[in-house]
Amino acid sequence: SAVISQKPSRDICQRGTSLTIQCQVDSQVTMMFWYRQQPGQSLTLIATANQGSEATYESGFVIDKFPISRPNLTFSTLTVSNMSPEDSSIYLCSVEDRRSPQSFFGQGTRLTVV
Amino acid sequence: SQQGEEDPQALSIQEGENATMNCSYKTSINNLQWYRQNSGRGLVHLILIRSNEREKHSGRLRVTLDTSKKSSSLLITASRAADTASYFCATAYSSASKIIFGSGTRLSIRP
Repeated sequence: SAVISQKPSRDICQRGTSLTIQCQVDSQVTMMFWYRQQPGQSLTLIATANQGSEATYESGFVIDKFPISRPNLTFSTLTVSNMSPEDSSIYLCSVEDRRSPQSFFGQGTRLTVV
Repeated sequence: SQQGEEDPQALSIQEGENATMNCSYKTSINNLQWYRQNSGRGLVHLILIRSNEREKHSGRLRVTLDTSKKSSSLLITASRAADTASYFCATAYSSASKIIFGSGTRLSIRP
């Protein structure tokens, strides 16, 4: 199974600033996914990040707000830009492992915007 | 957008009782997965059932899948205090694709 390290685990940020979240996987994976979980809610997919191509964003999410990098097969970053209190959520990265049909998740980044 | 809905939204039962959670989804799937989340942090994968399977067991967990009704259920038998968590179903359209989460069930086990 894939092991995912996500940083930071939590942060408190000022509105108007940006935060970059890192996701490191211990094996090469083709697809990485970024999710947002607002307080008391389920997980909502933000985008799919494939190495060597632009990320694919879900409805309601745009690249200017959530730019994503995927420089290689083991690493990705999600930036939450120009933050407002409404961006306070848990952000999770996930990977699919071709050795297993299940998905694997990082421990999440708990973001609070003040 | 979320693929599925779960019910109940919240469930409180006595320790030792069985807990059943249901998940409905909208379109054809390749597989359906159940996850547990404690205290709003990382997700723990519980069980995966493929679209050609009807029932799977793992320890105290039993999952059923009815593709004709586009629904699944998760049964936790002999519940324990440690089972208190949020439970989510998640569906995949293909074997190597994004998964979309249901709305979740908050399960509380009373001692």
